[in-house]
This record gives sequence, structure tokens and C-alpha cells, in this order.
Amino acid sequence: DQQVKQNSPSLSVQEGRISILNCDYTNSMFDYFLWYKKYPAEGPTFLISISSIKDKNEDGRFTVFLNKSAKHLSLHIVPSQPGDSAVYFCAASRMPSHALNFGKGTSLLVTP
Amino acid sequence: KAGVTQTPRYLIKTRGQQVTLSCSPISGHRSVSWYQQTPGQGLQFLFEYFSETQRNKGNFPGRFSGRQFSNSRSEMNVSTLELGDSALYLCASSQDRASGNTIYFGEGSWLTVV
Repeated sequence: DQQVKQNSPSLSVQEGRISILNCDYTNSMFDYFLWYKKYPAEGPTFLISISSIKDKNEDGRFTVFLNKSAKHLSLHIVPSQPGDSAVYFCAASRMPSHALNFGKGTSLLVTP
Repeated sequence: KAGVTQTPRYLIKTRGQQVTLSCSPISGHRSVSWYQQTPGQGLQFLFEYFSETQRNKGNFPGRFSGRQFSNSRSEMNVSTLELGDSALYLCASSQDRASGNTIYFGEGSWLTVV
């Protein structure tokens, strides 16, 4: 069963605006969450992560928010740039394993 | 420092054959995990190794196996290949959990089974 869900297969945003990518999970035992960016035929590139003891983490243009009660996290990209166009994957893991449960991904298109 | 290195990058095999894929983790990383990506199933966890021991295994048949060597390098093997095994196989490495949990991926090995 899919324990991590990204319900929006695609998202289109104008350059300079905010991109918000959402992710839901069902397993309350997950304690670490990561976002990856991926281009076709390449490996995922790590973007940002958040531990379950936090509700927000920022790194440059990327901010991840975690709502444990709702089992929901989101990735905000501000401002969005055309180079951000890629597929974004949400992933979750449970201590002490490093095994990641991935969502199906959201394809982000940033238009000039 | 060098990233996660996977070899070979591309390969074509025939049904019934076996294949071995190799992964060299980032220097100092002791945890190596493997994933399969297909259009239909997305990214799925295969197995995880830490200090030469398999720590976790995903829901894949026994035809999929792996191992980790004392230098943390890892290999995965798929025996009796089926058409459905065609996929991008990704290796990821990370330090021990106590040192942080950022998990870095290699470029992947594209396997086509004909």
C-alpha cells in the first residue's frame, strides 16, 4: 500500500511566483521526511529534509512544513525559477532504517 | 568529494539471464540502499545494508539480492530476469543515523530486459 502520497501529478507555476508541492503520509511512525528533485534518466537530487521534532525547515528558496497531526507536509519554493522544472518526490523514513518510502511524484513546470 | 557511483549506467539483458549492478557510496558513508524505479510503480525500496549486514528488505521476490563489502561498496543481483525487471535501479548512501540522515542517490543503472 502507498504510505506516502502526492495527490497532484502536475503543477504549473509562473516564474517568480510561489510553488507549493504537497505530500500526505499514513504511517504515524515516520519520523524523517525528505524532498528530492529528479530529471528523467538521472538519480534524485536531495533538496531539503525535516525531522518530526520540527514543523519547519528552510534552506534558501526551499522551505518544508510538517503538520504531524494532519500527516501532511509541503514544500514551498520561492521564488520559482524555470530551472526548478522537474519531478519532485516526497519521501519518508522511520528510525532507525534509512529505507525511504516515496510518493509518486509531482511534475513541476515553471513558465517564464 | 565524489558522489555515489553506479556501474554500469546502461545495460541490456535477455530474459532468464542474471545481472549484477555495482554501487560505490560516498566516502565515509556506511549505509547503502537500493531502489527500483518503473513508470507504473514509481520508486520502490529494495534493500538496505549497513556494515555488511542487510538491515531492511522491501517487498521483492528472492530473485533480487544484494550484498555489501567491508569497504561499504555494494552490489545487487537479479537472477532469472523477467521483462518486468526493466527499470532504473538506484543506489543511495548515507552516514550512520546518528550523524544525520541525508540520503544521496547515484545516477542509476538503466536495465532493459528483452
